[in-house]
Amino acid sequence: GQQVMQIPQYQHVQEGEDFTTYCNSSTTLSNIQWYKQRPGGHPVFLIQLVKSGEVKKQKRLTFQFGEAKKNSSLHITATQTTDVGTYFCAEKKYGNKLVFGAGTILRVKS
Amino acid sequence: DTGVSQNPRHKITKRGQNVTFRCDPISEHNRLYWYRQTLGQGPEFLTYFQNEAQLEKSRLLSDRFSAERPKGSFSTLEIQRTEQGDSAMYLCASSFTFWGQGSTGELFFGEGSRLTVL
Repeated sequence: GQQVMQIPQYQHVQEGEDFTTYCNSSTTLSNIQWYKQRPGGHPVFLIQLVKSGEVKKQKRLTFQFGEAKKNSSLHITATQTTDVGTYFCAEKKYGNKLVFGAGTILRVKS
Repeated sequence: DTGVSQNPRHKITKRGQNVTFRCDPISEHNRLYWYRQTLGQGPEFLTYFQNEAQLEKSRLLSDRFSAERPKGSFSTLEIQRTEQGDSAMYLCASSFTFWGQGSTGELFFGEGSRLTVL
């Protein structure tokens, strides 16, 4: 079963509003990766976080890894219609095997 | 296109039939993974190869499932005696991992093979 929990399951925002998805684990994560899957598409890698308290930015996207390495978040500032899709967090295990969360579906109203 | 290629993209079959999916990874990638994804869920790990060696199989992978990567390049996933519960998207991914240096271990996914079992 999936060992990382994502919330919310679904979010519908007005274009220009911010969006945040959270990834939580009951155990310490060695690292976390984030992927985006467009409707009808395949998962595409966004970023990897490894260090406690790490924060990384990609344009309007901000990724954080918690101090205890048990949670992570993805924040999108001023959403655009191109941000539509499902955002997954995943813990990378040995062998680069990924254990994915269930994802957060983002819909953007223009 | 030098991305991960999967075929067929769609397969509709009757319960009890066998199906086979093929994955061609990015050529220089030494690791290849199979995942299964159902609606509203994240991809679930099935198995992975390093070169031609199958290093891990999930408990999700029943005896009806078999995967091969005979020459360390393309891979096949065969499902025997399909059941309706096998209906899902089967995703292949590849990555390049080498010892001694950091890498993200980023997975590159193919477009998937959607299986519908009637």
